[in-house]
Amino acid sequence: IQLTQSPSSVSASVGDRITITCRASRDISNWLVWYQQKPGRAPQVLIYRAATLEGGVPSRFSGSGSGTDFTLTISSLQPEDFADYHCQQAHSLPITFGQGTRLEMK
Amino acid sequence: QITLKESGPAVVKPTQTLTLACKFSGFSLSTSGVGMVWIRQPPGKPLEWLALIYWDDDKHYNPSLQSRLSITKHASNDQVTLTLTNVEPVDTGTYYCAHRRTVQGVMDSWGQGIPVTVSS
Repeated sequence: IQLTQSPSSVSASVGDRITITCRASRDISNWLVWYQQKPGRAPQVLIYRAATLEGGVPSRFSGSGSGTDFTLTISSLQPEDFADYHCQQAHSLPITFGQGTRLEMK
Repeated sequence: QITLKESGPAVVKPTQTLTLACKFSGFSLSTSGVGMVWIRQPPGKPLEWLALIYWDDDKHYNPSLQSRLSITKHASNDQVTLTLTNVEPVDTGTYYCAHRRTVQGVMDSWGQGIPVTVSS
């Protein structure tokens, strides 16, 4: 299952609302995970089952979608949110990731 | 609290075999439903899943690398190793091990990663 993320990069400011999209090559129901990765660090899970927030993740992060189209939204960007974001499908093996989205400070 | 830490060589020569270890604590790989994965990330490129091993020793590999990969869990159940044979420069990257929460398919705890360079 191929995952296509867009955009590949986005520039935004503190306080902005941003949305990242992940499209699957076939129906994966809600088996989608979002990760955040900061430079030099391992990814950390933000959201699983498309819309369930992982424990400890701020509520400004939200996910939606089912089938083939998914979105990650950050409602009001904070300085610590500038990072890379990855989607991953958990529907079937092989596990696959999107190509990533870099969120940069404008 | 789950912790994982990768270890292995920083540099490997082309055609050699890369062997990485992941030492973990905070869970048992003999507990039903537990899985562990290896994932890599070439510099500036996306994450790539390599291998998965379950508590019952069921193993799965990335089809594009299957002939070169092997994942093993050890009798003590607190270490998992990954071998990648016949390495090439394109295998350069940071290698991560992670705990997989099987019910949701989430990699919920990751090691810090180990950078590996394939170069003569």
